[in-house]
Amino acid sequence: GDSVTQMEGPVTLSEEAFLTINCTYTATGYPSLFWYVQYPGEGLQLLLKATKADDKGSNKGFEATYRKETTSFHLEKGSVQVSDSAVYFCALSEGYGNKLVFGAGTILRVKS
Amino acid sequence: DAEITQSPRHKITETGRQVTLACHQTWNHNNMFWYRQDLGHGLRLIHYSYGVQDTNKGEVSDGYSVSRSNTEDLPLTLESAASSQTSVYFCASSPGQGGWNEQFFGPGTRLTVL
Repeated sequence: GDSVTQMEGPVTLSEEAFLTINCTYTATGYPSLFWYVQYPGEGLQLLLKATKADDKGSNKGFEATYRKETTSFHLEKGSVQVSDSAVYFCALSEGYGNKLVFGAGTILRVKS
Repeated sequence: DAEITQSPRHKITETGRQVTLACHQTWNHNNMFWYRQDLGHGLRLIHYSYGVQDTNKGEVSDGYSVSRSNTEDLPLTLESAASSQTSVYFCASSPGQGGWNEQFFGPGTRLTVL
Protein backbone atom coordinates (compact mmCIF):
# COMPACT_ATOMS: atom_id res chain seq x y z
CA GLY A 1 0.00 0.00 0.00
CA ASP A 2 0.87 3.66 -0.05
CA SER A 3 3.40 4.91 2.47
CA VAL A 4 5.39 8.01 3.44
CA THR A 5 8.82 8.04 5.05
CA GLN A 6 10.23 11.12 6.76
CA MET A 7 13.60 11.78 8.29
CA GLU A 8 13.63 11.14 12.00
CA GLY A 9 13.95 14.00 14.40
CA PRO A 10 14.13 15.96 16.39
CA VAL A 11 15.92 18.46 14.20
CA THR A 12 17.53 21.26 16.20
CA LEU A 13 18.72 24.39 14.39
CA SER A 14 19.85 27.87 15.28
CA GLU A 15 17.79 30.81 14.10
CA GLU A 16 18.50 31.78 10.45
CA ALA A 17 19.87 28.33 9.61
CA PHE A 18 18.83 26.44 6.45
CA LEU A 19 16.24 23.72 6.90
CA THR A 20 15.72 20.52 4.97
CA ILE A 21 13.31 17.80 6.05
CA ASN A 22 13.41 14.78 3.78
CA CYS A 23 10.26 13.00 2.64
CA THR A 24 9.94 10.07 0.26
CA TYR A 25 6.81 8.21 -0.71
CA THR A 26 5.57 4.96 -2.19
CA ALA A 27 2.41 5.02 -4.28
CA THR A 28 0.99 3.04 -7.17
CA GLY A 29 -0.29 6.04 -9.11
CA TYR A 30 0.11 9.79 -9.11
CA PRO A 31 -0.63 11.12 -5.64
CA SER A 32 -1.05 14.66 -4.42
CA LEU A 33 1.60 15.55 -1.85
CA PHE A 34 1.25 17.72 1.23
CA TRP A 35 3.17 19.19 4.11
CA TYR A 36 1.14 19.83 7.25
CA VAL A 37 2.44 21.62 10.34
CA GLN A 38 1.36 21.15 13.95
CA TYR A 39 2.22 23.89 16.43
CA PRO A 40 2.29 22.98 20.13
CA GLY A 41 -1.17 22.17 21.50
CA GLU A 42 -2.91 22.66 18.16
CA GLY A 43 -4.32 20.63 15.31
CA LEU A 44 -2.64 20.24 11.95
CA GLN A 45 -2.79 22.92 9.30
CA LEU A 46 -1.80 22.78 5.68
CA LEU A 47 1.59 24.33 4.98
CA LEU A 48 1.87 23.63 1.25
CA LYS A 49 0.94 21.10 -1.40
CA ALA A 50 1.74 19.93 -4.92
CA THR A 51 -0.58 17.95 -7.12
CA LYS A 52 1.57 16.82 -10.04
CA ALA A 53 5.16 16.07 -10.93
CA ASP A 54 7.56 19.06 -10.96
CA ASP A 55 5.06 21.28 -9.16
CA LYS A 56 6.55 23.44 -6.42
CA GLY A 57 4.46 24.25 -3.39
CA SER A 58 5.40 27.28 -1.31
CA ASN A 59 4.12 29.16 1.72
CA LYS A 60 5.61 31.29 4.52
CA GLY A 61 9.12 30.86 3.08
CA PHE A 62 8.85 27.07 2.94
CA GLU A 63 9.14 25.23 -0.38
CA ALA A 64 8.86 21.66 -1.62
CA THR A 65 9.09 20.24 -5.15
CA TYR A 66 7.25 17.12 -6.31
CA ARG A 67 9.97 14.87 -7.73
CA LYS A 68 8.44 11.85 -9.41
CA GLU A 69 11.77 10.37 -10.53
CA THR A 70 13.01 10.18 -6.94
CA THR A 71 9.55 9.87 -5.32
CA SER A 72 10.43 12.72 -3.00
CA PHE A 73 8.91 15.90 -1.61
CA HIS A 74 11.58 17.44 0.60
CA LEU A 75 10.69 20.51 2.66
CA GLU A 76 13.13 23.45 2.66
CA LYS A 77 13.39 26.91 4.16
CA GLY A 78 16.28 29.27 3.72
CA SER A 79 16.24 30.90 7.14
CA VAL A 80 14.27 29.42 10.03
CA GLN A 81 12.83 31.37 12.93
CA VAL A 82 12.04 30.37 16.50
CA SER A 83 8.36 30.57 15.55
CA ASP A 84 8.88 27.71 13.06
CA SER A 85 9.35 25.27 15.93
CA ALA A 86 6.66 22.65 15.38
CA VAL A 87 6.03 19.12 14.13
CA TYR A 88 6.03 18.74 10.34
CA PHE A 89 4.14 15.96 8.60
CA CYS A 90 4.54 14.85 5.02
CA ALA A 91 1.42 13.23 3.57
CA LEU A 92 -0.01 11.90 0.33
CA SER A 93 -3.47 11.42 -1.10
CA GLU A 94 -3.96 9.09 -4.04
CA GLY A 95 -6.91 8.69 -6.30
CA TYR A 96 -10.45 9.57 -5.46
CA GLY A 97 -11.48 9.82 -1.84
CA ASN A 98 -9.12 12.41 -0.33
CA LYS A 99 -7.80 10.02 2.32
CA LEU A 100 -4.41 11.05 3.66
CA VAL A 101 -1.45 8.79 4.42
CA PHE A 102 0.98 10.47 6.81
CA GLY A 103 4.62 10.12 7.60
CA ALA A 104 5.67 9.77 11.24
CA GLY A 105 6.34 13.49 11.64
CA THR A 106 9.54 15.44 12.28
CA ILE A 107 9.97 17.65 15.32
CA LEU A 108 11.77 20.91 14.52
CA ARG A 109 13.29 22.97 17.32
CA VAL A 110 14.79 26.36 16.52
CA LYS A 111 17.02 28.04 19.09
CA SER A 112 17.55 31.79 19.31
CA ASP B 1 -15.96 32.13 10.81
CA ALA B 2 -16.43 28.51 9.87
CA GLU B 3 -14.56 26.08 12.05
CA ILE B 4 -14.18 22.52 13.27
CA THR B 5 -14.43 21.78 16.97
CA GLN B 6 -13.83 18.71 19.10
CA SER B 7 -15.02 17.87 22.58
CA PRO B 8 -13.92 17.09 25.14
CA ARG B 9 -10.34 18.33 24.72
CA HIS B 10 -9.13 15.96 27.43
CA LYS B 11 -10.72 12.75 28.70
CA ILE B 12 -9.66 10.15 31.23
CA THR B 13 -11.62 6.92 31.32
CA GLU B 14 -11.32 3.37 32.57
CA THR B 15 -10.80 0.18 30.64
CA GLY B 16 -14.06 -1.29 29.39
CA ARG B 17 -16.09 1.92 29.40
CA GLN B 18 -17.80 3.28 26.31
CA VAL B 19 -16.52 6.69 25.25
CA THR B 20 -17.78 9.08 22.59
CA LEU B 21 -15.70 11.89 21.15
CA ALA B 22 -17.55 14.68 19.40
CA CYS B 23 -16.60 16.44 16.16
CA HIS B 24 -18.57 19.36 14.73
CA GLN B 25 -17.81 21.41 11.60
CA THR B 26 -19.58 24.47 10.26
CA TRP B 27 -18.12 24.47 6.71
CA ASN B 28 -20.87 22.23 5.38
CA HIS B 29 -18.19 19.84 4.12
CA ASN B 30 -19.37 16.45 2.94
CA ASN B 31 -16.15 14.63 3.90
CA MET B 32 -15.16 13.99 7.50
CA PHE B 33 -12.32 11.92 8.91
CA TRP B 34 -11.07 10.61 12.26
CA TYR B 35 -7.35 10.03 12.88
CA ARG B 36 -5.31 8.98 15.87
CA GLN B 37 -1.84 10.36 16.51
CA ASP B 38 0.78 8.21 18.18
CA LEU B 39 4.50 8.83 18.56
CA GLY B 40 6.41 7.23 15.72
CA HIS B 41 3.29 6.57 13.65
CA GLY B 42 2.16 10.01 12.57
CA LEU B 43 -1.60 10.11 12.05
CA ARG B 44 -3.52 6.99 11.12
CA LEU B 45 -7.02 6.92 9.67
CA ILE B 46 -9.71 5.35 11.85
CA HIS B 47 -12.99 6.00 10.02
CA TYR B 48 -14.27 8.39 7.39
CA SER B 49 -17.51 9.57 5.85
CA TYR B 50 -18.38 11.09 2.48
CA GLY B 51 -21.84 12.24 3.46
CA VAL B 52 -24.90 11.64 5.60
CA GLN B 53 -25.47 7.94 6.33
CA ASP B 54 -22.11 7.04 4.75
CA THR B 55 -19.32 5.57 6.91
CA ASN B 56 -16.17 3.66 5.99
CA LYS B 57 -13.40 1.87 7.87
CA GLY B 58 -9.87 3.15 7.80
CA GLU B 59 -6.53 1.58 8.57
CA VAL B 60 -7.06 1.18 12.35
CA SER B 61 -10.83 0.83 12.79
CA ASP B 62 -10.99 -2.12 15.22
CA GLY B 63 -12.72 -1.09 18.46
CA TYR B 64 -14.13 2.15 17.01
CA SER B 65 -17.38 3.12 15.34
CA VAL B 66 -18.88 6.27 13.79
CA SER B 67 -22.27 7.40 12.63
CA ARG B 68 -23.25 10.31 10.36
CA SER B 69 -26.80 11.54 10.86
CA ASN B 70 -26.19 15.09 9.59
CA THR B 71 -23.57 17.00 7.63
CA GLU B 72 -22.03 18.81 10.62
CA ASP B 73 -21.22 15.98 13.03
CA LEU B 74 -19.21 12.76 13.05
CA PRO B 75 -18.98 11.34 16.59
CA LEU B 76 -16.39 8.65 17.26
CA THR B 77 -17.32 5.90 19.74
CA LEU B 78 -14.96 3.55 21.50
CA GLU B 79 -17.20 0.61 22.30
CA SER B 80 -15.09 -0.77 25.17
CA ALA B 81 -12.05 1.37 25.84
CA ALA B 82 -8.65 -0.34 26.00
CA SER B 83 -5.29 1.00 27.16
CA SER B 84 -4.03 0.66 23.58
CA GLN B 85 -6.53 3.36 22.63
CA THR B 86 -4.76 5.98 24.72
CA SER B 87 -3.90 8.54 22.08
CA VAL B 88 -4.61 11.96 20.67
CA TYR B 89 -7.59 11.95 18.33
CA PHE B 90 -8.07 14.42 15.47
CA CYS B 91 -11.14 15.06 13.42
CA ALA B 92 -10.85 16.62 9.97
CA SER B 93 -13.12 17.69 7.13
CA SER B 94 -12.69 18.52 3.46
CA PRO B 95 -14.89 19.97 0.75
CA GLY B 96 -14.45 17.36 -1.96
CA GLN B 97 -13.23 13.87 -2.70
CA GLY B 98 -10.46 14.85 -5.08
CA GLY B 99 -7.05 13.92 -3.69
CA TRP B 100 -5.84 17.50 -4.06
CA ASN B 101 -8.28 18.87 -1.50
CA GLU B 102 -6.97 20.27 1.77
CA GLN B 103 -8.23 18.74 4.98
CA PHE B 104 -9.09 21.05 7.88
CA PHE B 105 -8.27 19.70 11.33
CA GLY B 106 -9.82 20.18 14.73
CA PRO B 107 -7.72 20.93 17.84
CA GLY B 108 -7.65 17.30 18.99
CA THR B 109 -8.86 15.26 21.98
CA ARG B 110 -6.32 13.70 24.31
CA LEU B 111 -7.77 10.41 25.60
CA THR B 112 -6.23 8.43 28.43
CA VAL B 113 -7.53 4.94 29.19
CA LEU B 114 -6.51 3.67 32.62
